[in-house]
Amino acid sequence: AQTVTQSQPEMSVQEAETVTLSCTYDTSESDYYLFWYKQPPSRQMILVIRQEAYKQQNATENRFSVNFQKAAKSFSLKISDSQLGDAAMYFCASWGSGGYQKVTFGTGTKLQVIP
Amino acid sequence: ETGVTQTPRHLVMGMTNKKSLKCEQHLGHNAMYWYKQSAKKPLELMFVYSLEERVENNSVPSRFSPECPNSSHLFLHLHTLQPEDSALYLCASSQDPIAIPDGANVLTFGAGSRLTVL
Repeated sequence: AQTVTQSQPEMSVQEAETVTLSCTYDTSESDYYLFWYKQPPSRQMILVIRQEAYKQQNATENRFSVNFQKAAKSFSLKISDSQLGDAAMYFCASWGSGGYQKVTFGTGTKLQVIP
Repeated sequence: ETGVTQTPRHLVMGMTNKKSLKCEQHLGHNAMYWYKQSAKKPLELMFVYSLEERVENNSVPSRFSPECPNSSHLFLHLHTLQPEDSALYLCASSQDPIAIPDGANVLTFGAGSRLTVL
């Protein structure tokens, strides 16, 4: 079984500043993937970034990067140079091998970007 | 149209009504999913279909009845719902439901159907 915990229900950041969203997870799988999904007001979930557990290098996608601490089971998302369009719900999620693509999601963090 | 399309966007129904949610994917994917999103709760996986065959049913009450007539279409038939069933219902698809979520094999979501049960 997998669990994903996001302890920050809401966060805010000033435009152009940097913000970090926290996520911890627990899994018994040795092979797993971690994700951050963004859900803007349009409600469509969009994959922001993905990390393979066996890769030690942190994933980056333009202004988005992760800090993957495998031993601590921590997977935080850093958004640099925040833009108004980054305002959304952000969900941390995990996938473990051995079955159908059962992605486990956290409860989400609502990010507000202040102009 | 491209991606995953869900209709209707909003639905209000009484507890005795029968309604259906529709999902269509234009990505050539082989797997489709229904998720329930309630406020302050993690997304709950309800059903998984692989090549039109239901492969996962996560203890969902029988008042929710899925149907997958082909790999591009997925329905969720609703009957005798309860107010606590009010939520955002998200449909998703992926290329392969078993293979690792690498490359393009990740969940692609629709914009959801907001359901309110009175």
